[in-house]
Amino acid sequence: QQQVKQSPQSLIVQKGGISIINCAYENTAFDYFPWYQQFPGKGPALLIAIRPDVSEKKEGRFTISFNKSAKQFSLHIMDSQPGDSATYFCAASNHDYKLSFGAGTTVTVRA
Amino acid sequence: DAGVIQSPRHEVTEMGQEVTLRCKPISGHDYLFWYRQTMMRGLELLIYFNNNVPIDDSGMPEDRFSAKMPNASFSTLKIQPSEPRDSAVYFCASSSGGGTYEQYFGPGTRLTVT
Repeated sequence: QQQVKQSPQSLIVQKGGISIINCAYENTAFDYFPWYQQFPGKGPALLIAIRPDVSEKKEGRFTISFNKSAKQFSLHIMDSQPGDSATYFCAASNHDYKLSFGAGTTVTVRA
Repeated sequence: DAGVIQSPRHEVTEMGQEVTLRCKPISGHDYLFWYRQTMMRGLELLIYFNNNVPIDDSGMPEDRFSAKMPNASFSTLKIQPSEPRDSAVYFCASSSGGGTYEQYFGPGTRLTVT
């Protein structure tokens, strides 16, 4: 049973466009929500993370929006670049260091 | 720092053989995690250690899988006997702990069981 549901499974965006990936969770004990980026043949790498006490966190072109009441959070990639083409995973943890991952979204940025 | 080191990077074996995957975590990290990644099931946590002690092995699929961490700089994941359905990419990750939940992943071992 997947504790974090992620959508869409894949998306294609033009260079300069915005990519949006959504995740939803049920466990209200989750208190840490990271996003990982994975390139083919590589391990996942932490991109950005948020705690439930803030509604938004921005790092460069990457922004997490967090809606605690709806139990949803999303990743926005602004000004998408071909180098952003990768698989993105949302995850959640309830301070026991175990991460529950979403199924992943493959993002393709067309030049 | 060299990051998390895993070996081998690729392993091809025949059904029934024993397979041992190895991991060296980042120096100073107290937590070590083993994950399995497949197209069907995504990223699954198999087991994790804190200070070399297994904390949660509820993700280990069956008794054919075992993991050890004899010291702070080395861990193994063993599959005996291996089966074709064990074919996957196995990742090791480590974390410094202390309220910092960031996990650093290794490059993975791609296992193929024929």
